[in-house]
Amino acid sequence: NAGVTQTPKFQVLKTGQSMTLQCAQDMNHNSMYWYRQDPGMGLRLIYYSASEGTTDKGEVPNGYNVSRLNKREFSLRLESAAPSQTSVYFCASSEEWWSQTQYFGPGTRLTVL
Amino acid sequence: AQTVTQSQPEMSVQEAETVTLSCTYDTSESDYYLFWYKQPPSRQMILVIRQEAYKQQNATENRFSVNFQKAAKSFSLKISDSQLGDAAMYFCAYRSAGNSGYALNFGKGTSLLVTP
Repeated sequence: NAGVTQTPKFQVLKTGQSMTLQCAQDMNHNSMYWYRQDPGMGLRLIYYSASEGTTDKGEVPNGYNVSRLNKREFSLRLESAAPSQTSVYFCASSEEWWSQTQYFGPGTRLTVL
Repeated sequence: AQTVTQSQPEMSVQEAETVTLSCTYDTSESDYYLFWYKQPPSRQMILVIRQEAYKQQNATENRFSVNFQKAAKSFSLKISDSQLGDAAMYFCAYRSAGNSGYALNFGKGTSLLVTP
């Protein structure tokens, strides 16, 4: 039981490049989330998926797109990376969107030059 | 969005001693959840303890306990018998119990140093 896994762990991009961050969970959770963590800040919600087939914007969605590929997987795409998107990205999941606890993956450190 | 404030950027405690981390929040809601997450250097976010606002009894998990003061909108974390492995960033987080309660709202964190 791996919980929430994320790939890659580290990534360096040049401005304008695109990439997709992958997230998968094996806990049979319905809801999944993408957060970003900037230096000296707590996590902020980018997008979430309350259930398979649905996605919604969070607090900071600009510059990102998401895909809920199936119940297990939720990907985050940067179409044209910008230096302001340099951050640590966390994926999380919960049993339902109203469930108390969200379980987090290990994070992806992304640097955009 | 609800605001979560952690006024202590850094705290230090000696091994085996007790330390309290502070958290206040701003909300007009009556039903919500509060959490403390630990983030060690590995970056993994680990749930330490959670509190339901409708419960008057303070949550405890082994050496970790909270002091939840609903009227004062305060939610502090007490770590007893501190261990070297407790060194980490600690984040306080709020989540609404209502229809918009999908996001965790985090404070900026408190860095805890544990000295031998």
